[in-house]
Amino acid sequence: EDQVTQSPEALRLQEGESSSLNCSYTVSGLRGLFWYRQDPGKGPEFLFTLYSAGEEKEKERLKATLTKKESFLHITAPKPEDSATYLCAIYYNQGGKLIFGQGTELSVKP
Amino acid sequence: DAGVTQSPTHLIKTRGQQVTLRCSPISGHKSVSWYQQVLGQGPQFIFQYYEKEERGRGNFPDRFSARQFPNYSSELNVNALLLGDSALYLCASSLVTLTDTQYFGPGTRLTVL
Repeated sequence: EDQVTQSPEALRLQEGESSSLNCSYTVSGLRGLFWYRQDPGKGPEFLFTLYSAGEEKEKERLKATLTKKESFLHITAPKPEDSATYLCAIYYNQGGKLIFGQGTELSVKP
Repeated sequence: DAGVTQSPTHLIKTRGQQVTLRCSPISGHKSVSWYQQVLGQGPQFIFQYYEKEERGRGNFPDRFSARQFPNYSSELNVNALLLGDSALYLCASSLVTLTDTQYFGPGTRLTVL
């Protein structure tokens, strides 16, 4: 059973076309939800940590939000350099480990 | 400040061989975790070490082992390599626990032939 699901698997946007990526989770007792950006062949780069429902974090064109069962990564007016795979991960009370989703591959065309 | 460093960058081995991967955490970070990432998937947790002790283990066979040194650097060892062990191996460091933000290194690309 997948505990973390990201959608869509792939997203193609035109430069300036805003959109959202979704990360949903099925576990209880969430201790933290993390967003990372990963470029091909490289390690994930930390973006945001969210700890409780209602929390929001922003950085440049990105904004992350958290509800009780999902998180959204909103991308406003994206640029080609935002093209990457975006990963979310959770840590919860009974898990004992960080669990990643499969990622959303974002492509932004000029 | 230097980030998480890993060595080597790339490695090619044959089936049955053994491999050792190395990781140095961010200065001040005492916890190191290891992940395996196969193409097209998210990273999968292998181990977490804190203060030289194993604090968490993922669903990996006993062929995988790790240790942490007094300076908080870490090694991941994989014995009896299989073709399916080919992956990007990632090391992440955090201050203490897994709820602290984990910062990843660039990874070691392991190819098993």
